[in-house]
Amino acid sequence: GQNIDQPTEMTATEGAIVQINCTYQTSGFNGLFWYQQHAGEAPTFLSYNVLDGLEEKGRFSSFLSRSKGYSYLLLKELQMKDSASYLCAVMDSNYQLIWGAGTKLIIKP
Amino acid sequence: ETGVTQTPRHLVMGMTNKKSLKCEQHLGHNAMYWYKQSAKKPLELMFVYSLEERVENNSVPSRFSPECPNSSHLFLHLHTLQPEDSALYLCASSQEASGGGNEQFFGPGTRLTVL
Repeated sequence: GQNIDQPTEMTATEGAIVQINCTYQTSGFNGLFWYQQHAGEAPTFLSYNVLDGLEEKGRFSSFLSRSKGYSYLLLKELQMKDSASYLCAVMDSNYQLIWGAGTKLIIKP
Repeated sequence: ETGVTQTPRHLVMGMTNKKSLKCEQHLGHNAMYWYKQSAKKPLELMFVYSLEERVENNSVPSRFSPECPNSSHLFLHLHTLQPEDSALYLCASSQEASGGGNEQFFGPGTRLTVL
């Protein structure tokens, strides 16, 4: 079956760096997405990786290793507003998104 | 209005009621989606429409009935729901239903409670 694993919850300190991991097993691979979802709000797109390596976008970076079925989202210079759930999703061979359950990130002052 | 909008934002209904959820996208996209989001569970894809034709129906009970009258509007008709159907129902759209890198844009969701 298809499976996306990510930690349920993580805690980090304001100003620090945090890495959220995602491992996947899917039928085919057409890219991996990271979304941010604040409580009670819509998920919003953060990043897309289809080739191995690191994609940097401001304070956020996303890494992909297709051979390992692994990705991470790196958040630098954490701010209180980064407290949210972070969703990992893989696009399978049918171009359907397979979602992880999300990682709730708690930022402490 | 911009992006993807959904109404109502909150809905409480009894098991014998009939209600409809509405989604509208203002992005000129060709594909629209219904998802169910339950606490601490992955997003579950329910239906996919591409140019008003249903292209995916992931074994969803018949008490959920989608309708896509045009590429900008999507409805989810609800009938004789069960308490376990209580969840956040999210609508999304993307440029196309297939093709890599198709970022999906989400609406704010309808929080549904079935009594």
